Amino acid sequence: DGGITQSPKYLFRKEGQNVTLSCEQNLNHDAMYWYRQDPGQGLRLIYYSQIVNDFQKGDIAEGYSVSREKKESFPLTVTSAQKNPTAFYLCASQTDSNYGYTFGSGTRLTVV
Amino acid sequence: GEDVEQSLFLSVREGDSSVINCTYTDSSSTYLYWYKQEPGAGLQLLTYIFSNMDMKQDQRLTVLLNKKDKHLSLRIADTQTGDSAIYFCAEALSGGSYIPTFGRGTSLIVHP
Repeated sequence: DGGITQSPKYLFRKEGQNVTLSCEQNLNHDAMYWYRQDPGQGLRLIYYSQIVNDFQKGDIAEGYSVSREKKESFPLTVTSAQKNPTAFYLCASQTDSNYGYTFGSGTRLTVV
Repeated sequence: GEDVEQSLFLSVREGDSSVINCTYTDSSSTYLYWYKQEPGAGLQLLTYIFSNMDMKQDQRLTVLLNKKDKHLSLRIADTQTGDSAIYFCAEALSGGSYIPTFGRGTSLIVHP
């Protein structure tokens, strides 16, 4: 079955560490997105990529980095520059249309 | 820019209908979406409607669009405890980069 796989489901980061969240899709979707969700908040866009080897900053890109070397993969690195990284991170993809996103199941990142 | 507003909570009794409301600001041609998020999970696309439509029905779900008031609603008939979740309204401009603006979500609680 096609879908988006995010891993790990839970991730713990020590102060000063970089961590990378994985997002893989086998839907052949061109566009991929990373969102951050905090309790009681909507979704805030971190980065997005509409084609391979190209990506754009979203509303809250500071302290994050991404790459898009393959169509299927869009990993997100949370760097030590991100001062408040504890959140639920969601990856999504969609075709070149407005028919809505397919989301992964999320990664919960906690700073310890 | 786009702005999407939703009430934060709705409580209903099992078997009753639920109506979740959303207002949006953009008056251009636009796609409007409803997503469902269960605890600890990603978002699931329930349905979408284009702004030239008034209504869309899919089994227990009915979407109504009032373009004049920029008001969107999601009606769930015969609400079940499994419908308890957070429901997000989202808007995306047609012909743009297809990146939607999400509301903060409405938490639906279904009592037995």
